[in-house]
Amino acid sequence: SQQGEEDPQALSIQEGENATMNCSYKTSINNLQWYRQNSGRGLVHLILIRSNEREKHSGRLRVTLDTSKKSSSLLITASRAADTASYFCATGDNYGQNFVFGPGTRLSVLP
Amino acid sequence: DGGITQSPKYLFRKEGQNVTLSCEQNLNHDAMYWYRQDPGQGLRLIYYSQIVNDFQKGDIAEGYSVSREKKESFPLTVTSAQKNPTAFYLCASITPLTGEQFFGPGTRLTVL
Repeated sequence: SQQGEEDPQALSIQEGENATMNCSYKTSINNLQWYRQNSGRGLVHLILIRSNEREKHSGRLRVTLDTSKKSSSLLITASRAADTASYFCATGDNYGQNFVFGPGTRLSVLP
Repeated sequence: DGGITQSPKYLFRKEGQNVTLSCEQNLNHDAMYWYRQDPGQGLRLIYYSQIVNDFQKGDIAEGYSVSREKKESFPLTVTSAQKNPTAFYLCASITPLTGEQFFGPGTRLTVL
């Protein structure tokens, strides 16, 4: 079974609203990463949070990590139509031998 | 301009043929990866290589083969033994200090 599971599978919001996506995983991790994928394109790295960190910010993105619950959330504030994409979480270690991606959340931001 | 390139962008194959997908990086990364993505799905690991002349099977290696003769290049061959090869294939390399993966633009393979 997959390590990371995103929730919800699909999310539709209006421009300007906040979007929250969640990721759950099963085993111990060294880090958790969030990626964005526009349709038919490669993945773009958004943010990495290490297991000893609880929160990280990057522009309009905020990621939290709760290792006791084995879960992470990605918050996109003041969403824009250009944020429309699929978002994936991936768990792994610094050596990259245990990278596992979840099925993703498809976000639609309506103008 | 550093990055990862994949070619071709689109590839069509007849049943029974082997095809090779190219992946090149000029990021000086040691580790490289091949993933398969099916419509509406996440990524599944096919093969990865931590260093030149060494590679390891991922979760779905059957029907695929790789080589790593140069640090910059990690080609993937989809063999006729792969029963359902139609998919989107993504190559990635990893930044050693942070563990972040950089992805190529992908190759969409269609079996006719």
